[in-house]
Amino acid sequence: GQNIDQPTEMTATEGAIVQINCTYQTSGFNGLFWYQQHAGEAPTFLSYNVLDGLEEKGRFSSFLSRSKGYSYLLLKELQMKDSASYLCAVREVWNNNAGNMLTFGGGTRLMVKP
Amino acid sequence: GAGVSQSPSNKVTEKGKDVELRCDPISGHTALYWYRQSLGQGLEFLIYFQGNSAPDKSGLPSDRFSAERTGGSVSTLTIQRTQQEDSAVYLCASSLGSPYRYPSREQYFGPGTRLTVT
Repeated sequence: GQNIDQPTEMTATEGAIVQINCTYQTSGFNGLFWYQQHAGEAPTFLSYNVLDGLEEKGRFSSFLSRSKGYSYLLLKELQMKDSASYLCAVREVWNNNAGNMLTFGGGTRLMVKP
Repeated sequence: GAGVSQSPSNKVTEKGKDVELRCDPISGHTALYWYRQSLGQGLEFLIYFQGNSAPDKSGLPSDRFSAERTGGSVSTLTIQRTQQEDSAVYLCASSLGSPYRYPSREQYFGPGTRLTVT
């Protein structure tokens, strides 16, 4: 099993930068995903990290430190449309689990204000 | 191409009734997942199908919950004798290939079925 913690809510201003943190505890780490979920809609994939370091994709970047059990999602040049929930999900390998499941955190609800 | 589709989009049922929720994954995706999301909460894993292998049912909360996947494609999640605590959005997702072999491949989610038990 694993624990995944992320802040429940964050508020930021349009045009600013915001960092959403995620900490996890797992015995067989095999990757971390970030998903974006607008209210009433399905989650959509943002990023995947399996090695330490920063992955950059346009305005979004994701960082991973496996030794610290820590990741963050960085959103630059915030836009109003970035108001959404951001879900951290960890993939864990255990025993003969061929499914290699994802466990999701509770999500961080980000509100972008003008 | 078409994404993951789910039906119905909304379902209101009386306590004690059975419900069936349907998921059509992306064509060619061998992995299929069901999750439950309560209001303002994260996703709770329910069940996973991979090809013709036996499903991983480790997330099902009680024996009132069951799921099938026919022909390696469409899946149905059945909840028997529904209770008010079953009210949630039920999300289906699919991914290409086994996550064991391809752990970096993301899951594609359907729009969900909002279940309300009165």
